[in-house]
Amino acid sequence: SQQGEEDPQALSIQEGENATMNCSYKTSINNLQWYRQNSGRGLVHLILIRSNEREKHSGRLRVTLDTSKKSSSLLITASRAADTASYFCASQHKGGYQKVTFGTGTKLQVIP
Amino acid sequence: DAGITQSPRHKVTETGTPVTLRCHQTENHRYMYWYRQDPGHGLRLIHYSYGVKDTDKGEVSDGYSVSRSKTEDFLLTLESATSSQTSVYFCAAKQGPGELFFGEGSRLTVL
Repeated sequence: SQQGEEDPQALSIQEGENATMNCSYKTSINNLQWYRQNSGRGLVHLILIRSNEREKHSGRLRVTLDTSKKSSSLLITASRAADTASYFCASQHKGGYQKVTFGTGTKLQVIP
Repeated sequence: DAGITQSPRHKVTETGTPVTLRCHQTENHRYMYWYRQDPGHGLRLIHYSYGVKDTDKGEVSDGYSVSRSKTEDFLLTLESATSSQTSVYFCAAKQGPGELFFGEGSRLTVL
């Protein structure tokens, strides 16, 4: 399987705390993306980091990428109850025709 | 909203029957994807398309076929549905190396 894995599978934190999710992938990539899914609905794009970038920020989101370890992490700072959702990393495979595979996801619960 | 519409949104069928799910997009995206989502597995790529009549297999393509005869439509067919194909199916589309835009999902139950 080419599917990546995410860690932890589930995370429960208090509002205001930071949440960190990790992603490992298996292929060479052009970029890595993070998505959010609320209650089984369609996924929504959060942030993209290119293979030649090591860190990227967007609002309360911080993403790191280590291509030598084939891993990425997503940090959500000062979490809010509205951040409760599942989060997935997605690998844009290098070469080929824009193949994109997803990790297994992290279910985040933020307790008010 | 990137104009991705999936139909049907819900379907219950019996083992052995053919099923076709349709994905329609209005943004002229070049690339389209079908994923299935199951507990503990996240999203798994079934097939994807990189242009009209150009498709390739994903991670879990056995038992599925696809067709793309025009830019806006990407069809996923289960020739003979099995209970293991009970799942939520998501279609997605994009233009280049950037973000994917998703439909709302199609929930398929095979009895």
